[in-house]
Amino acid sequence: QQQVKQSPQSLIVQKGGISIINCAYENTAFDYFPWYQQFPGKGPALLIAIRPDVSEKKEGRFTISFNKSAKQFSLHIMDSQPGDSATYFCAASNTGGFKTIFGAGTRLFVKA
Amino acid sequence: GAGVSQTPSNKVTEKGKYVELRCDPISGHTALYWYRQSLGQGPEFLIYFQGTGAADDSGLPNDRFFAVRPEGSVSTLKIQRTERGDSAVYLCASSFGQGRETQYFGPGTRLLVL
Repeated sequence: QQQVKQSPQSLIVQKGGISIINCAYENTAFDYFPWYQQFPGKGPALLIAIRPDVSEKKEGRFTISFNKSAKQFSLHIMDSQPGDSATYFCAASNTGGFKTIFGAGTRLFVKA
Repeated sequence: GAGVSQTPSNKVTEKGKYVELRCDPISGHTALYWYRQSLGQGPEFLIYFQGTGAADDSGLPNDRFFAVRPEGSVSTLKIQRTERGDSAVYLCASSFGQGRETQYFGPGTRLLVL
């Protein structure tokens, strides 16, 4: 019940295309859903986050779509760039938020 | 300003040895987290400190793992009798508080147990 399932494991997108990464959770107590970006040799960095009281959040080229009834959320990267090539993790935590559960990650490669 | 720093960046040890991994959080951050990241996996929660106290250590895999934060700033993760399965990247993160505060991660310590 604590798991966050992420797909796909890896993704190759052409420059300028849309990258889509999906996550699903089971624990309905989760109420904070961040996405992290990680480059090789670095720690994860927060990219964007959403709470379940909204269905979509957009920041620049990055959008989170949230479906509370389906317990699913996704990250869309518009106009994907080679510099976006990294590993992306979805995550979830509950009120109190100290115990963050991460998905297994998606390795994105954007072809120039 | 300085981010979260972790030392050493790499640590190679032999099975059965004791290791200490250090984390220096961002100044003023009261919350500190330790995670373990195995190759090809997402970070796995180990322990969370609010101030000097461990508010949740439910992620520590067994009693060989222990962490302290005696003055509410620097934290040390201690691993006794290391095993090959302990090999991973150990990540530290800090935030102003708990809840939905952004967690800022350090670069990690890559531990290899031979």
